[in-house]
Amino acid sequence: NAGVTQTPKFRVLKTGQSMTLLCAQDMNHEYMYWYRQDPGMGLRLIHYSVGEGTTAKGEVPDGYNVSRLKKQNFLLGLESAAPSQTSVYFCASSYGLGTATYNEQFFGPGTRLTVL
Amino acid sequence: GESVGLHLPTLSVQEGDNSIINCAYSNSASDYFIWYKQESGKGPQFIIDIRSNMDKRQGQRVTVLLNKTVKHLSLQIAATQPGDSAVYFCAENRGDSSYKLIFGSGTRLLVRP
Repeated sequence: NAGVTQTPKFRVLKTGQSMTLLCAQDMNHEYMYWYRQDPGMGLRLIHYSVGEGTTAKGEVPDGYNVSRLKKQNFLLGLESAAPSQTSVYFCASSYGLGTATYNEQFFGPGTRLTVL
Repeated sequence: GESVGLHLPTLSVQEGDNSIINCAYSNSASDYFIWYKQESGKGPQFIIDIRSNMDKRQGQRVTVLLNKTVKHLSLQIAATQPGDSAVYFCAENRGDSSYKLIFGSGTRLLVRP
């Protein structure tokens, strides 16, 4: 199993440009999450999904959109990038409710995004 | 690798000694806690978890202690090794069936040879 994979690994954008980050998992997990991590801070939840076709807002959703068209994929979009969105983005996935380890989240390697 | 947490609290220990990393949480309704390890340039990696109906849980070389009275969580690493050098995060699920984790800001562990 590859686990959780993210593409791309690095990206540089200019202010106002758009892009999509792709997350894929091969563990048949129901739940998927997008976080951002900034220096001196822990991970902050942007959006999450509890199943195919569903999404919900996390702590810091503004400026981002997500889609979960397939169970194994979770896409994070930036429609008009801003310098404040310079960060490292992590995707994670977990099993659903009703399982003993539903809280344990498995993380991808991260995408480093710089917005100039 | 990437720089994660430029201004994190840092714990420096001698190789072979035991390490204790502490975490305070704020929500008394939290019912599940996890410790993650993050090496430079990588995503967080699960270490150990504990539910609120337990005070202690042991893994391989690691022990997590939970003190609900003072809302404190600790991670003990026995016989610390150079490969343990990383940033360690605690995370809590706030018991509201939201399955979301709230992460602390992290502690950097440096192991001196």
